[in-house]
Amino acid sequence: QQPVQSPQAVILREGEDAVINCSSSKALYSVHWYRQKHGEAPVFLMILLKGGEQKGHDKISASFNEKKQQSSLYLTASQLSYSGTYFCGTEPRSGYALNFGKGTSLLVTP
Amino acid sequence: GAGVSQSPRYKVAKRGQDVALRCDPISGHVSLFWYQQALGQGPEFLTYFQNEAQLDKSGLPSDRFFAERPEGSVSTLKIQRTQQEDSAVYLCASSIGQGLSEQYFGPGTRLTVT
Repeated sequence: QQPVQSPQAVILREGEDAVINCSSSKALYSVHWYRQKHGEAPVFLMILLKGGEQKGHDKISASFNEKKQQSSLYLTASQLSYSGTYFCGTEPRSGYALNFGKGTSLLVTP
Repeated sequence: GAGVSQSPRYKVAKRGQDVALRCDPISGHVSLFWYQQALGQGPEFLTYFQNEAQLDKSGLPSDRFFAERPEGSVSTLKIQRTQQEDSAVYLCASSIGQGLSEQYFGPGTRLTVT
């Protein structure tokens, strides 16, 4: 079941903050966040497990509401390099393949 | 260390030709995944392996698609009698297997069927 991401697109000025949301209708084991720049491979940002464990980059934060099966990615003090398409991927059970959302396009302008 | 590599990076095939796409995962990674990504869309699951065992191939769109990982490392995705709708980027990812286990993606193979 494909998770739903919102918003579809965001335009920010450098230094502004943004929140990207991901929701699933199914119970989840984990949520993964990736950023993909045009023509490149998706790059890992964060993984959040049910139960509270998480791993990711220091400058990226995210939350996972297990009751609502929702996750949010928080981008603070955005930089030009944050531009790209952000995908959430949901994992129904440990070690399984990810179901990806359609992506959120983020553009950071000077 | 080396990341996930894929070859070829670009492939143009005439409709009806067979193609083989290769993925070299990160050494020691147990799980290997194949995804198909259409333009402007998120990756869509095709199939995945734990070591040499293909645990799920429910995402393969037709019986023209076949994947293998005979020795639990390198994997090949084969598409027989290619059709125009097969044109996409094919991404391979690997992970250590379980728990806090992110997937590392290769650069993908862009397949264009003419």
